[in-house]
Amino acid sequence: DGGITQSPKYLFRKEGQNVTLSCEQNLNHDAMYWYRQDPGQGLRLIYYSQIVNDFQKGDIAEGYSVSREKKESFPLTVTSAQKNPTAFYLCASAGPSRPDTQYFGPGTRLTVL
Amino acid sequence: DQQVKQNSPSLSVQEGRISILNCDYTNSMFDYFLWYKKYPAEGPTFLISISSIKDKNEDGRFTVFLNKSAKHLSLHIVPSQPGDSAVYFCAAESAGGTSYGKLTFGQGTILTVHP
Repeated sequence: DGGITQSPKYLFRKEGQNVTLSCEQNLNHDAMYWYRQDPGQGLRLIYYSQIVNDFQKGDIAEGYSVSREKKESFPLTVTSAQKNPTAFYLCASAGPSRPDTQYFGPGTRLTVL
Repeated sequence: DQQVKQNSPSLSVQEGRISILNCDYTNSMFDYFLWYKKYPAEGPTFLISISSIKDKNEDGRFTVFLNKSAKHLSLHIVPSQPGDSAVYFCAAESAGGTSYGKLTFGQGTILTVHP
């Protein structure tokens, strides 16, 4: 069953701790994306990767880091430098052609206490 | 700088009637547009898209219209059903340059369809 998985669904962390959010896809997609959603706002792009071992900053990359060591995986680390980390985080992937539809995972709700 | 705007935060419609959700954009480099539907605490689900070479695309109950001169697109849902109640996001992409593959989203419109 092809799709994008994100884990965990809910995550709680203390302020000052780094936390890594998982995103895995078995759609054989080249491109992967991380977005953040805050209440009453649209999705804002954090980082994206068009190919393995390469990634680019999105519109709000400060305080976040990513890696793309495997095609199917694109983990996001929320560092202690991120000033407002509590949000709903969404991962997406898309095929190589442009334009191509991005398909989203179920999301991770991160709450920093 | 909000390049994609959905100026109506919410819309309420009676079941069976038409729902019209609107979206405006400012970046003339956008040439591919998408609509997503989202339930709370879930990921967005792709609904329908349109390329800038078209002015209309239809898929079942969903039709997207694009007016390039006005930089405006709309999503029509006919007939509306209670299960359509969700947040609808429009998104835009430019096919080339440094924005390659990046989506810019509007703020979303909450659609409520009453039985």
